[in-house]
Amino acid sequence: DTGVSQDPRHKITKRGQNVTFRCDPISEHNRLYWYRQTLGQGPEFLTYFQNEAQLEKSRLLSDRFSAERPKGSFSTLEIQRTEQGDSAMYLCASSSVSGVETQYFGPGTRLLVL
Amino acid sequence: AQTVTQSQPEMSVQEAETVTLSCTYDTSENNYYLFWYKQPPSRQMILVIRQEAYKQQNATENRFSVNFQKAAKSFSLKISDSQLGDTAMYFCAFMPERRGNEKLTFGTGTRLTIIP
Repeated sequence: DTGVSQDPRHKITKRGQNVTFRCDPISEHNRLYWYRQTLGQGPEFLTYFQNEAQLEKSRLLSDRFSAERPKGSFSTLEIQRTEQGDSAMYLCASSSVSGVETQYFGPGTRLLVL
Repeated sequence: AQTVTQSQPEMSVQEAETVTLSCTYDTSENNYYLFWYKQPPSRQMILVIRQEAYKQQNATENRFSVNFQKAAKSFSLKISDSQLGDTAMYFCAFMPERRGNEKLTFGTGTRLTIIP
């Protein structure tokens, strides 16, 4: 069990550019979650998938954000036309649909928009 | 909607002492889970302990235990014999048991420093 992995770990971009982050969940987990964490705050829910189906999107997720999970394995989160307010840590978590659905987190991708 | 409140932004304690972190929540759900997560500096978030709301017995994991008061909607974390490695941000989180609503709602965190 290698845990949840995220790539890249850090990303610096200029305002207006597009960025894409990847998350690989724990292999037997069929649920995958994206959260955003700004400095000094707790993580806030963005969206989640069960297998390849995107089940819920937060109102925080503007039209510039899109997430996919093709084939129910890894997931990508894309931000188009980045803004300085998008600077944050983007966390991915996964869980299994059995028993208590504890979410296990990856190391996060820290995004800085200049 | 659920809210989670952590009223202690920062705490510090001497190594080997006991410390208690507070958490209160507000919900209309009857069945739910509560979690404490730890986020060390520049490291990923890890689960410390979890509690099912239907269980009356407080959860314990080695040096970590909770005081769950369902009627008061309170969920505090007690760390006994604190160690330097316990230095981290601690987040309290809530998750409804209801299907289709399994997202976590976090508090703003408590920064805990263990002093040598």
